[in-house]
Amino acid sequence: AQSVAQPEDQVNVAEGNPLTVKCTYSVSGNPYLFWYVQYPNRGLQFLLKYITGDNLVKGSYGFEAEFNKSQTSFHLKKPSALVSDSALYFCAVRDERGSSASKIIFGSGTRLSIRP
Amino acid sequence: SAVISQKPSRDICQRGTSLTIQCQVDSQVTMMFWYRQQPGQSLTLIATANQGSEATYESGFVIDKFPISRPNLTFSTLTVSNMSPEDSSIYLCSAYGGSGANVLTFGAGSRLTVL
Repeated sequence: AQSVAQPEDQVNVAEGNPLTVKCTYSVSGNPYLFWYVQYPNRGLQFLLKYITGDNLVKGSYGFEAEFNKSQTSFHLKKPSALVSDSALYFCAVRDERGSSASKIIFGSGTRLSIRP
Repeated sequence: SAVISQKPSRDICQRGTSLTIQCQVDSQVTMMFWYRQQPGQSLTLIATANQGSEATYESGFVIDKFPISRPNLTFSTLTVSNMSPEDSSIYLCSAYGGSGANVLTFGAGSRLTVL
């Protein structure tokens, strides 16, 4: 069965500094990896995905993520944080193989707080 | 991308009652998924709903407590039966169809409070 871990409950960054939100995963086949963001009292919004191809994927709002197969990681990054990036971020994984190949499992979430 | 509408958006319910949440997608989708989320916490998959077959439930969730219907390719319902305060949560409907075939799109959620 697939699983995903976000080791940090909260990440605090000063505006203008780079940010990283960590994610590691476990699957039996090849992973499909995703990042979603949730703003207060709002629904989940898709940020970016890795299915195949380049290990560095770019998404919405200037975010990017790097797929690292050897470390089974998919960390979310942004070169320069904005106060408006403050939100709850979820990493998610889908295993392309097996009986559960259709479902997506979410990590525990990381609350990103950007201070002015 | 797919647009998913859920209703009710929120409700306050009495212990022991049941509530049905409706989910409408603006395009035909093969699979729909129901998740539960405590505010500010992670999403837990309840079940996968396929049209024309019984829903597939995740460990810890049973059909008697969370019966699901999937009458066609654009609609599904989730019922939370015999509710208790522990069922207070946000229930989210989702389907593939946003930003590419492999991306889940979510409804805005149904926030249930059980007194």
